[in-house]
Amino acid sequence: DGGITQSPKYLFRKEGQNVTLSCEQNLNHDAMYWYRQDPGQGLRLIYYSQIVNDFQKGDIAEGYSVSREKKESFPLTVTSAQKNPTAFYLCASRSGTGRFNTEAFFGQGTRLTVV
Amino acid sequence: QQQVKQSPQSLIVQKGGIPIINCAYENTAFDYFPWYQQFPGKGPALLIAIRPDVSEKKEGRFTISFNKSAKQFSLHIMDSQPGDSATYFCAVGTSGSRLTFGEGTQLTVNP
Repeated sequence: DGGITQSPKYLFRKEGQNVTLSCEQNLNHDAMYWYRQDPGQGLRLIYYSQIVNDFQKGDIAEGYSVSREKKESFPLTVTSAQKNPTAFYLCASRSGTGRFNTEAFFGQGTRLTVV
Repeated sequence: QQQVKQSPQSLIVQKGGIPIINCAYENTAFDYFPWYQQFPGKGPALLIAIRPDVSEKKEGRFTISFNKSAKQFSLHIMDSQPGDSATYFCAVGTSGSRLTFGEGTQLTVNP
């Protein structure tokens, strides 16, 4: 089955610890995105990548880092510099070419909690 | 600067009613206007999308109305059902670039 896989589903982080959220897609999409969702709020863009080995900051990149070494993978690291990391994190991918291939497909999310 | 404003934040209708959710945007360069549906604990899924060269698009019970001059678009859900209870997000974007989402509308359809 084609799609986006996020892991783990639940993640607990201690104060001062870095954690990495995994996102893998087998849709052959060029573009990948990380969004953060807080209760009752919309999706805010953290980072996005439109091509391998390149990525751009979104609206709330501080305290986060990403890499895009492979087309299929776009891991997100939540660093200790992110003071309020408890949230629902969503990864998405989207075809970067073709006028009509613009649907964004989302993973099932990772719920990160600071303990 | 908020690129897309969505309203209302929450909406409660009776079964069979027609909830309407609205979004307004500023940047005329946007050419892709999707609506996403999200159930609790799940990722959003595309419901329906429209491009600015048409004023309306229907898919089943879901309709997007688009007003290019007013820079607004809305989602109408015909004959709403309890199973439609979810959070709905509008988004704006251009082909291949980032999508910016509205703040979401929590819809409750009572039996």
